[in-house]
Amino acid sequence: QQQVKQSPQSLIVQKGGISIINCAYENTAFDYFPWYQQFPGKGPALLIAIRPDVSEKKEGRFTISFNKSAKQFSLHIMDSQPGDSATYFCAASKASGSRLTFGEGTQLTVNP
Amino acid sequence: NAGVTQTPKFQVLKTGQSMTLQCAQDMNHEYMSWYRQDPGMGLRLIHYSVGAGITDQGEVPNGYNVSRSTTEDFPLRLLSAAPSQTSVYFCASSRLADTQYFGPGTRLTVL
Repeated sequence: QQQVKQSPQSLIVQKGGISIINCAYENTAFDYFPWYQQFPGKGPALLIAIRPDVSEKKEGRFTISFNKSAKQFSLHIMDSQPGDSATYFCAASKASGSRLTFGEGTQLTVNP
Repeated sequence: NAGVTQTPKFQVLKTGQSMTLQCAQDMNHEYMSWYRQDPGMGLRLIHYSVGAGITDQGEVPNGYNVSRSTTEDFPLRLLSAAPSQTSVYFCASSRLADTQYFGPGTRLTVL
C-alpha cells in the first residue's frame, strides 16, 4: 500500500526550464512534507519541507506548493541547471522527521 | 562531526548467510532508522528507534533484526540472507520530530 504517490517517474528538462514533480498522499494525519534530493552513490539529503498551515514555501530556485483539500503537493525547480540532475523523493510524516513515508522517486535530468 | 556513517559500503552474500550492517552517528540524535531503497519503490522503513533500548518495526521488518544499546549505534542484522534482500540500505538519524540525516548507504547483493 503506497500512501504517497509520486509522478513522473522520470523527467527531462532543458537548462533554464522549470521542473515540476507531483506527489499525492492518502493519510490526512500527515503534517510534515519534505523533499529529498539524492545524487548517485549518496544518501538522500533534505532539500525543502513544508507544513500544511501554508500553501507555498520558497527557498531560492526551489518552491513547494501544497493543496491540503486535494491532498497534493509539488516541487517546482525554476531555472533548472545540469547540477540539479538527481533523484528527488517526496515524503510525508505525522510529526516532522519521524517515520517518513516516501514516494517512489523521480529521476530528473537537466540537459545543458 | 562525521554525521551518519555506515559500514560496509558494499557487500556480497550467499543465500542463507547472516551479517550485520553497521550504523553510527555522532550528533547525539535520539531517533535512528533503517530504510531500504529499491528501484521504483522509493525508500521503505525497516526498523526504527526513538532512543537507547527502544526499537520498533517499520513497513518491511521481516528478515531483519535491530538493537539499540547506545545512542550512537544502530546495527541492522540479516538473519538468513535471501535474494529478495538485495538492495541499498540507508541509515538515518535525527532529533525527535526534526530533519532526518542519511548515511551514504550500503549496497548489498545476495546471490
